[in-house]
Amino acid sequence: GESVGLHLPTLSVQEGDNSIINCAYSNSASDYFIWYKQESGKGPQFIIDIRSNMDKRQGQRVTVLLNKTVKHLSLQIAATQPGDSAVYFCAERGYQKVTFGIGTKLQVIP
Amino acid sequence: EADIYQTPRYLVIGTGKKITLECSQTMGHDKMYWYQQDPGMELHLIHYSYGVNSTEKGDLSSESTVSRIRTEHFPLTLESARPSHTSQYLCASSEWRGGTSYGYTFGSGTRLTVV
Repeated sequence: GESVGLHLPTLSVQEGDNSIINCAYSNSASDYFIWYKQESGKGPQFIIDIRSNMDKRQGQRVTVLLNKTVKHLSLQIAATQPGDSAVYFCAERGYQKVTFGIGTKLQVIP
Repeated sequence: EADIYQTPRYLVIGTGKKITLECSQTMGHDKMYWYQQDPGMELHLIHYSYGVNSTEKGDLSSESTVSRIRTEHFPLTLESARPSHTSQYLCASSEWRGGTSYGYTFGSGTRLTVV
């Protein structure tokens, strides 16, 4: 069938380099943000989250940065590996509603 | 280990057939969702439910219908499948308390092909 919506932007990164995936959100009242990773043929999986009272949170090889002034969220992946190849979605939580971003496809070049 | 299960994983079916995509979760979540996603494209919310006997249409119009008779079960039905229904269908659930969501859990999806 005919695809609905926009094609995902693609980010190509050399293996071992750091990746930065960006997301702009729309609701200034959103209080919680989540990054999901979706591998080919699978459902999205939780990676890391951040509350609006923080501007940085670190996990294992991943860091999320939140800039509320410009409503911008980023996901940084250190030492990118082939297994990081996937689509990455950000999500913002407002009252009674969670909104997903368009997603970015990360391609890791060996 | 997945706490939300979708079956079948893949389905190829002829035009005009009636199909039901199954989704079950064991977390006791009140809210459940169906998303449609074409390859390389964004997620589109097509149905959601606040709880038993509650169903709502999502942001993207869909010819499918859903039901929520039990908390853990949220099946999606297409009465007469068409090639335009070919897509991946993702089910998700979330826990909400006091108007606040505590994250989504997604199933692995059903990839539907209508020939």
